[in-house]
Amino acid sequence: DVQLQESGPGLVKPSQSLSLTCTVTGYSITSDYAWNWIRQFPGNKLEWMGYISYSGSTSYNPSLKSRISITRDTSKNQFFLQLNSVTTEDTATYYCARRLDYWGQGTSVTVSS
Amino acid sequence: DIQMTQSSSYLSVSLGGRVTITCKASDHINNWLAWYQQKPGNAPRLLISGATSLETGVPSRFSGSGSGKDYTLSITSLQTEDVATYYCQQYWSTPYTFGGGTKLEIK
Repeated sequence: DVQLQESGPGLVKPSQSLSLTCTVTGYSITSDYAWNWIRQFPGNKLEWMGYISYSGSTSYNPSLKSRISITRDTSKNQFFLQLNSVTTEDTATYYCARRLDYWGQGTSVTVSS
Repeated sequence: DIQMTQSSSYLSVSLGGRVTITCKASDHINNWLAWYQQKPGNAPRLLISGATSLETGVPSRFSGSGSGKDYTLSITSLQTEDVATYYCQQYWSTPYTFGGGTKLEIK
């Protein structure tokens, strides 16, 4: 069965970088699909942040401008989110997802000093 | 960006009843439309993709329809376990975008 699990710090200080890992089991991230990061803000608005494809190409939400980077480690079947220069507006639950169908349970990240 | 509008933020329906949740895109999305169900504390669960294709394991009382810019999710014979928030998402063009959600309650 395909499973995704997010991990990373739950608290990040303003102006620092947020780094999260998504560990995938049951499917190789190099076989197919786009591997996404999506966040849900307090109040429940959902925002697609970007993806890395099975081939390694990336697509990002322009709203995140140059702050975002999604990379991967194929040997560990993991992909990563880095979001730079965070503010309190980046406080959210962060999800990784395989295209549309399989999602991780989410990890809550608070940006606060 | 394509804006997705769910006109109803809340709907209250009787057990056993039928409900229709609507979603309107700001541009044509060629049926590249997904519906999700989210319960508190859980990740969104994919119910329908391609506007009408029911995911494996999703009860047949759920159905999707629509074309162009206008789409609907219908639930018949509402059950208590259907209490949740429902979101639409377009994946026709990036940035993929979500509707604001419709919270379904039992009357």
